[in-house]
Amino acid sequence: IQMTQSPSSLSASVGDTVAITCRASQSISNYLNWYQQKPGKAPELLISSASNLEDAVPSRFSGSGSGTEFTLAINSLQPEDSATYFCQQSYSASQVTFGQGTRLEI
Amino acid sequence: QLQLQESGSGLVKPSQTLSLTCAVSGDSLSSGGYSWSWIRQPPGKGLEWIGYIYHSGSTYYNPSLKSRVTISVDRSKKQFSLRLSSVTAADTALYYCARALTSSSGGFDYWGQGTLVTVSS
Repeated sequence: IQMTQSPSSLSASVGDTVAITCRASQSISNYLNWYQQKPGKAPELLISSASNLEDAVPSRFSGSGSGTEFTLAINSLQPEDSATYFCQQSYSASQVTFGQGTRLEI
Repeated sequence: QLQLQESGSGLVKPSQTLSLTCAVSGDSLSSGGYSWSWIRQPPGKGLEWIGYIYHSGSTYYNPSLKSRVTISVDRSKKQFSLRLSSVTAADTALYYCARALTSSSGGFDYWGQGTLVTVSS
C-alpha cells in the first residue's frame, strides 16, 4: 500500500492554519497514524486511528479522514511546530508503510 | 515509563551482516497487545518499516527486505534483535526500535533514540 503526502514542504506563519494530506493507494479504513519528527529526534506519535489525539498532544492538532484520504490540520501554528510530519498505515499487518514526509517551516 | 535503547555495530562492511539489539525497560516483552518493530531512516530521507515481532513470537517483515531480515526476541534479557544480511551502502541509515499497539491502528507510541549504522569498507 503506497502512501502519498502533499505537499512535500510548506512555509507558514505563527497563528496560521495548515493542512497536510495523505492518500493511500487503496482503502485502509481508519488505520492511519500521524507523526511529528524534529531534527535529531525520533518521531513522536500525534494522532492514531486517523483522528484520535494522543495524550499530551496539543489540541491545535487534529486528524480526519477514512478510506483513502486523510488530513492532518494544525491550527494556530506555534514556532515549535516546525518539524517534518509523516503519515503511516498499518491496515495490512504484513505491510506497514509511511508517507514520504512533509516539512513544515514556521 | 517505557524506554527503548538501541545498541550494536555502527560500522558494517558491505556483504556482511548488520546486528542490532533493542533493550526494553519498563514493560514486558511477554505481555500481549504489542508488537516490537525495527524502523530505519536513511540520512535526510523518510521512514522505512523493516519488520516486527509479536509477543507470541510471530514475525512480519517488509517484503522488500524479507529475504535478508531476521527479528528475534530474548525475553529473559528483555531485548529484541535485528539481523540484516548482505548489506550494501543502501542500508546505511539511522535504525530505530519501536513499540506498537496491536489493538488499534498500530501506531508506534514509543521509540528508541536511534542508532546510526554506516555500511562502508
